[in-house]
Amino acid sequence: GNSVTQMEGPVTLSEEAFLTINCTYTATGYPSLFWYVQYPGEGLQLLLKATKADDKGSNKGFEATYRKETTSFHLEKGSVQVSDSAVYFCALSADSGGSNYKLTFGKGTLLTVNP
Amino acid sequence: DAGITQSPRYKITETGRQVTLMCHQTWSHSYMFWYRQDLGHGLRLIYYSAAADITDKGEVPDGYVVSRSKTENFPLTLESATRSQTSVYFCASSEWQGSNTEAFFGQGTRLTVV
Repeated sequence: GNSVTQMEGPVTLSEEAFLTINCTYTATGYPSLFWYVQYPGEGLQLLLKATKADDKGSNKGFEATYRKETTSFHLEKGSVQVSDSAVYFCALSADSGGSNYKLTFGKGTLLTVNP
Repeated sequence: DAGITQSPRYKITETGRQVTLMCHQTWSHSYMFWYRQDLGHGLRLIYYSAAADITDKGEVPDGYVVSRSKTENFPLTLESATRSQTSVYFCASSEWQGSNTEAFFGQGTRLTVV
């Protein structure tokens, strides 16, 4: 079956530090990969996505590159802000027959950015 | 307002009671989902629906019932609430676009079973 493994954290950084949150996956077929973000007290919202190998998703200064050879989709940001404090979820949607219309999520990584 | 809304936002109920969590979306998306979020487990799929009158079990369906008589509504019922069902519940919807499918989430319902 499909699965997503991401670093569990929590991750605590100072403002302007570099962020990496690791994510690896196993999937049948050819998955699309997503990062969702959950701000305190809110639901999840899509941060970025990539649908094929070597694609780079980017949004709000965050980036992630779809690496098929290492089955990875690590999230990076060059300079984090206090407002980036949230829980980040890696997810996949596998493009195979049948039940490919639901997302499989990692366990989430709590990021806290201190001023 | 357009979007996906859940109600109530917070609920406290007693063990053994039946409770229903509501989810309503205005986009006419075909697919709807219920997830629960627990510390250490991330998001786990409870039930999903591909269209009105079509539902299927997810990863953790025991103790839950769903129905979908209308495209826009997808209520989740806990038939006899247990303390292990204390959690934050998220409803989501999506329209299938192949590998580009993006899910949209409600703000969640925090349920406490005492």
